[in-house]
Amino acid sequence: NAGVTQTPKFRVLKTGQSMTLLCAQDMNHEYMYWYRQDPGMGLRLIHYSVGEGTTAKGEVPDGYNVSRLKKQNFLLGLESAAPSQTSVYFCASSVPSGGPDEQYFGPGTRLTVT
Amino acid sequence: KNQVEQSPQSLIILEGKNCTLQCNYTVSPFSNLRWYKQDTGRGPVSLTIMTFSENTKSNGRYTATLDADTKQSSLHITASQLSDSASYICVGGSNYQLIWGAGTKLIIKP
Repeated sequence: NAGVTQTPKFRVLKTGQSMTLLCAQDMNHEYMYWYRQDPGMGLRLIHYSVGEGTTAKGEVPDGYNVSRLKKQNFLLGLESAAPSQTSVYFCASSVPSGGPDEQYFGPGTRLTVT
Repeated sequence: KNQVEQSPQSLIILEGKNCTLQCNYTVSPFSNLRWYKQDTGRGPVSLTIMTFSENTKSNGRYTATLDADTKQSSLHITASQLSDSASYICVGGSNYQLIWGAGTKLIIKP
């Protein structure tokens, strides 16, 4: 099993450009998440999904859109990138367990917006 | 305001020594407390997850404690190894509202 994979690993964008980050998991997990990690700060949840075709906003959703057309994939889109979106983006997945769900993380995408 | 504060920010110890990392949290709703290990350039990996009714949980050389009354948690690492060099992150909350600490950067020196 590859677990959670993210594409691309690195990207540099100019202000105003758009891009899509792809997250894929092969563990048949129901739940998927997008986080961003900034220096000196904890991870912050951008959007999450509890199943195919459903998405919900997290703590910092502005400037991002997501889609979950297939259970194994969760896409994060930036329509018009801004320097404030320079960050490391992590995708995670989990399976509902009736208690705390253990989240499995991908390796991250390092995005720089100039 | 929901927040998770960790101390120290960074710590250097010699290989083979023990250490304890601290976490204070103010999180609502609160149902569980997690510790993650994050190697440089990698995603976080779960070490322990405790519900609010649990006091301690171990994972090999890692032992986490939770005091829900004082809203404090600690992570104790026994007989440290070079591979323990990483950031250790405390996380509190419920499944869809997790508040992440900024982490303690631990360096193990030979």
